[in-house]
Amino acid sequence: EPEVTQTPSHQVTQMGQEVILRCVPISNHLYFYWYRQILGQKVEFLVSFYNNEISEKSEIFDDQFSVERPDGSNFTLKIRSTKLEDSAMYFCASSLGQGGYNSPLHFGNGTRLTVT
Amino acid sequence: GESVGLHLPTLSVQEGDNSIINCAYSNSASDYFIWYKQESGKGPQFIIDIRSNMDKRQGQRVTVLLNKTVKHLSLQIAATQPGDSAVYFCAENGRSYGGSQGNLIFGKGTKLSVKP
Repeated sequence: EPEVTQTPSHQVTQMGQEVILRCVPISNHLYFYWYRQILGQKVEFLVSFYNNEISEKSEIFDDQFSVERPDGSNFTLKIRSTKLEDSAMYFCASSLGQGGYNSPLHFGNGTRLTVT
Repeated sequence: GESVGLHLPTLSVQEGDNSIINCAYSNSASDYFIWYKQESGKGPQFIIDIRSNMDKRQGQRVTVLLNKTVKHLSLQIAATQPGDSAVYFCAENGRSYGGSQGNLIFGKGTKLSVKP
């Protein structure tokens, strides 16, 4: 069964450094997302991306964050200058349609980001 | 604010028994709900979804029931197996809050433990 893959599985970085989290969505999917989960808390929406542009972003997704689809297969999340509170599990997801009925989001296994 | 919540944070069942995981929501305009399973170290895995014009939907060993009158949905797992041990999340799409369908609002999760 096709799946969303994310790399790396664990990223440790120092405060203030830039990080890029990488994702390969399911190949025929058209909608792409990033979510995050701080330890012990809910999964939270960050951003959705369609047709090479952001379609929605949450309040969490401030100017330090950016997303890009650099080629036909990868989808990246960049954090420009990491803060301690950015430490979380970051999940990439994709969907064939807009994420509603019969077009659910499929998630990757996440990248655990630790900011020291 | 929080709109999707779970009644019980943990549920322990005997292998072979049926499991019922409950979820409450607050927005009567919510029109789509989805259940995810998250095993340790993995991303949310789609289980089943349901639209608000449905009361029930069945999958393989799972059934989701939606009661719009009391704004409650449940996930029933038949003949629970050790492999069902995981955290289960209900989520609704953000369209009823002015967001997009792919902006899922997750509950906190219920941990299901299956005793052999």
